[in-house]
Amino acid sequence: GQQVMQIPQYQHVQEGEDFTTYCNSSTTLSNIQWYKQRPGGHPVFLIQLVKSGEVKKQKRLTFQFGEAKKNSSLHITATQTTDVGTYFCAGPRGGYQKVTFGTGTKLQVIP
Amino acid sequence: SQTIHQWPATLVQPVGSPLSLECTVEGTSNPNLYWYRQAAGRGLQLLFYSVGIGQISSEVPQNLSASRPQDRQFILSSKKLLLSDSGFYLCAWSLGTSGGASYEQYFGPGTRLTVT
Repeated sequence: GQQVMQIPQYQHVQEGEDFTTYCNSSTTLSNIQWYKQRPGGHPVFLIQLVKSGEVKKQKRLTFQFGEAKKNSSLHITATQTTDVGTYFCAGPRGGYQKVTFGTGTKLQVIP
Repeated sequence: SQTIHQWPATLVQPVGSPLSLECTVEGTSNPNLYWYRQAAGRGLQLLFYSVGIGQISSEVPQNLSASRPQDRQFILSSKKLLLSDSGFYLCAWSLGTSGGASYEQYFGPGTRLTVT
């Protein structure tokens, strides 16, 4: 079945450093979604990428969708303590009614 | 605007006891509804999803069941809980698919279940 892996599993950074998480799918994706889950909270949708090679920015967050539509990345510039949480990517499956969530990357920001 | 409610927020249940978790969505019609379970520090496991009233698809065989008695109500149940049922249960909704594109999912606040 479809697998969506993320690396790294954990990342500790000093506040102000940059952070990147990578998402790799075993199958080609029609789109990719990104979610953030704060500690103790629920996942919150961040963005969806659809086009090959697409790049989108949300303030300090930059999202990329690979040319082959099998991988994606999330880059945070100058991390802040508010960036703490687990970041999940997700790709559609099963006639698009469902998504497969990636394994997640847990980000810790040291003040 | 749309909102999603889940209750209870936390639950401690003994092994062998029944379970009923409820999820309701407001502000939208005919949403797709989902139940996920998240073990501590782990990813999201899809348990059930529904594209309409009375339509339930199971992802993982287990001692849990789901029902959708109304358009915006989704219930997760068990007749006898196991220790391995402990976890963070999340309900989510999304719009139906269109043109081969999937829509983003919106999650409820979740229920933390501890089976003792």
